[in-house]
Parts: sequence; C-alpha cells; structure tokens
Amino acid sequence: GAGVSQSPRYKVAKRGQDVALRCDPISGHVSLFWYQQALGQGPEFLTYFQNEAQLDKSGLPSDRFFAERPEGSVSTLKIQRTQQEDSAVYLCASSPDRNYGYTFGSGTRLTVV
Amino acid sequence: AQRVTQPEKLLSVFKGAPVELKCNYSYSGSPELFWYVQYSRQRLQLLLRHISRESIKGFTADLNKGETSFHLKKPFAQEEDSAMYYCALRRTDSWGKFQFGAGTQVVVTP
Repeated sequence: GAGVSQSPRYKVAKRGQDVALRCDPISGHVSLFWYQQALGQGPEFLTYFQNEAQLDKSGLPSDRFFAERPEGSVSTLKIQRTQQEDSAVYLCASSPDRNYGYTFGSGTRLTVV
Repeated sequence: AQRVTQPEKLLSVFKGAPVELKCNYSYSGSPELFWYVQYSRQRLQLLLRHISRESIKGFTADLNKGETSFHLKKPFAQEEDSAMYYCALRRTDSWGKFQFGAGTQVVVTP
C-alpha cells in the first residue's frame, strides 16, 4: 500500500477484554515498530520486528502484551485482560531499513472502560 | 539512560515572528536526532534529521553536542506551522528505536 495502515482506528474495550490491533506496513519494509502514546506524552517504544523476527520486546509493559509478525508483513499487537492504564494510542511504524526514518500509521486509539 | 526533554508544552507565537522549540537530550553514545511533526488530524511525520543538515518548510535544527541540544528554529512562523512537534533520539547501538520527547504544541496566531 501507499502508507502504513492500522485498524481499527478506534477501539473501546471493557476492562478484562482481549483486543487485537492490526498493522499493515508499507510493502517491502523490513523494520516494523510498535509504540504506545499516552495522552499528553510522546510515543513510547514497545517492540521491534525485523521481518518476522521480534528482535526487541523490551518496551512491552507486561506479559499481557504480545506482538507477532508471522510472515514478515502484517503485524498484530494483542493485549490480554485489558486494564484502564492500557488506554492510549497505539502507533505502528515501518522502515525499509533500521537506519532510515520511519513512516507512521494513523494509530489505533484504545479506550478501556 | 537516554532521555529527551522538551521543556515547553505549549508555544504561542504570532505569524511572522521567529519560533524556537527547545530539545535537550542525554545519551552516552553518538546520537541521531530527529524532529517529527503532527498536524491536526494527521499522522506523525518526519520533519528533519540532523545528519541531513537540510531545511524543511523553513525549519532548521543544529545538533550541539556540547550543550546536548537540538533546537528547532524558523525565522518567520506561518499559520500552517501550528502543530505538535516531537524531538526524537535514535540510539545508534540499538535496532533503530526512537526515544521521543513529550512534545511541544505550537500555535501560530495571525
């Protein structure tokens, strides 16, 4: 596609519910990043994929967060048993190479009620 | 640990006036510094990076390693510059992940 596509744009989840957020990167982009942006804050790193390999997951806040990119293209960020503090915008970004700047998606705004 | 500080949450300037957004960083290695911008209802996009030494939309930024700063400047602000600006540091010893500042909201009034 022409850009990084994320779905859904908005998600409201009841506390305790599982959610799955999808990222469709630019075709051919090797690097894929997930970031979490809380209200009034800058994006915070969650995890990094190089093709299908998850090389860094040091930013995932708890074991309730899980990300995958099984075929090296589309990625899914899954949050189990959502909590109110998980409410944030989740950004996906891709890059042809880790040394380039990123192209960001529009994000998924998750609200946990 | 690396850190990026943007001391101003909000910067309000008049059209035609100079604007400077401050960014300070702490990082023991050799950093790469970037500015990202987010216009209303749009996605985050790259504005400029220090290694390119370019001017984009009239904005420039100089990396000052002595002062560990990467301030963003524009001599004459335009209304279309109203946006959220984020300074970001990319660690050269990592996978390319960014450390972002908290952002500065710029409002340019006519």
